[in-house]
Amino acid sequence: IAGITQAPTSQILAAGRRMTLRCTQDMRHNAMYWYRQDLGLGLRLIHYSNTAGTTGKGEVPDGYSVSRANTDDFPLTLASAVPSQTSVYFCASSAGDNSYNEQFFGPGTRLTVL
Amino acid sequence: GQNIDQPTEMTATEGAIVQINCTYQTSGFNGLFWYQQHAGEAPTFLSYNVLDGLEEKGRFSSFLSRSKGYSYLLLKELQMKDSASYLCAVIDSNYQLIWGAGTKLIIKP
Repeated sequence: IAGITQAPTSQILAAGRRMTLRCTQDMRHNAMYWYRQDLGLGLRLIHYSNTAGTTGKGEVPDGYSVSRANTDDFPLTLASAVPSQTSVYFCASSAGDNSYNEQFFGPGTRLTVL
Repeated sequence: GQNIDQPTEMTATEGAIVQINCTYQTSGFNGLFWYQQHAGEAPTFLSYNVLDGLEEKGRFSSFLSRSKGYSYLLLKELQMKDSASYLCAVIDSNYQLIWGAGTKLIIKP
C-alpha cells in the first residue's frame, strides 16, 4: 500500500441497508477525515479523527458514524442508507491534527442509494 | 455564514495563462489552500498561503490578500493535462477547513 486506499470503489445500495466504507493509510498520519462531494457543492466534512481513539463530528454527520481503533484505519458506516446519501465519499489524512497540514486524499468511493 | 466563491467554469487555450479567483467570507482566517482535482480522481495539494503576497511554484503561483478576502491561482504555459477542477479552501477561526465548490478549467488546443 502506498498512501491512502478506499474500498469499495463504487457501490449501489438499497435504501435501508447498512454499509461500511473502508479507509486505510500507511503514512502513520495522526489525523483522518471523511468528506462527501456532491455536484455544485464543496467538499463537506462528515467526521474526523485527530488521533487514534478519538473522533469528532464535522459539518454533515447525521446518518453516519466512524471509529478509529488504530492509526491506519478509519471506517465510515451508514447505519440505514437513504437516497440523499448518494455521493462520492473521500477519505483523507494529514500528518498533524490541525488544519494547517496538507491533506492526502484516497481515490474515493462512489455510492448510489436507491 | 461562511462562504467561498469561485467561478464555476473557465476556458483557456493551451500555452496561455489563466487566473482563477477565490473570494471568501469566513469567521476568521488562518490560511488558504488550493487543490487540483482531475475528473473522477482525488484532490491533490497545490499550494498553501497564510501571508499576503505571491507564492510561486513552477508553472503555478498563488496569491493572497487577507484584507480583501481574496486569492487567485495563476497557471502559466497551460498544458492539456491542466484540465481539471481547482478547489479553494480556507481555514477559519475554529481551524475548520471550508471548501469552495471548485472551478472547472477547460483547456482547448
